[in-house]
Amino acid sequence: EDQVTQSPEALRLQEGESSSLNCSYTVSGLRGLFWYRQDPGKGPEFLFTLYSAGEEKEKERLKATLTKKESFLHITAPKPEDSATYLCAGATPGGSYIPTFGRGTSLIVHP
Amino acid sequence: GAGVSQSPRYKVAKRGQDVALRCDPISGHVSLFWYQQALGQGPEFLTYFQNEAQLDKSGLPSDRFFAERPEGSVSTLKIQRTQQEDSAVYLCASSRTGNEQYFGPGTRLTVT
Repeated sequence: EDQVTQSPEALRLQEGESSSLNCSYTVSGLRGLFWYRQDPGKGPEFLFTLYSAGEEKEKERLKATLTKKESFLHITAPKPEDSATYLCAGATPGGSYIPTFGRGTSLIVHP
Repeated sequence: GAGVSQSPRYKVAKRGQDVALRCDPISGHVSLFWYQQALGQGPEFLTYFQNEAQLDKSGLPSDRFFAERPEGSVSTLKIQRTQQEDSAVYLCASSRTGNEQYFGPGTRLTVT
């Protein structure tokens, strides 16, 4: 069974305190690894897609990396507006990118 | 431009009632997905359309759930004879290519 596990479940940081979120997956024939941000009461917002081990993508203070078994979302010098739940999803082979989501990491950045 | 919209945003139904949830995707997006998200969980896949064709409905939890997209644009998720366990946020997402999905705000369904 395909599984995506995220850790930690919750993370509290001080503004400017860099850290990393982890996403480990057991998805046969992974077709893509996605990161989304979700704010309370809203739908997930697309951040990155990674396709192969060694790939990295950056957007502002966020950088996503991928290995054969896990992905990391690195947050550099976070700000309070980075507070959100970060979701990871692995897409399985098939006609389209049907993702299996993890439970997310709830990030709170204190000023 | 306009994003994905969903209506209603909130729906309260009595157990046993039928409900219909609407999704308006981004114009030109051929792929449309429905998800169910319980509190504190990630979204769970329900079904997927490419244009008007429902290509995957493996995530629908029971035959009480039915989805359609008759003209390849607007989609409706229908739940018949609602049960308390159906209470959740229902998310719709659309995509041009399938890999980068744009989500709507969701419909929060509460079954009493």
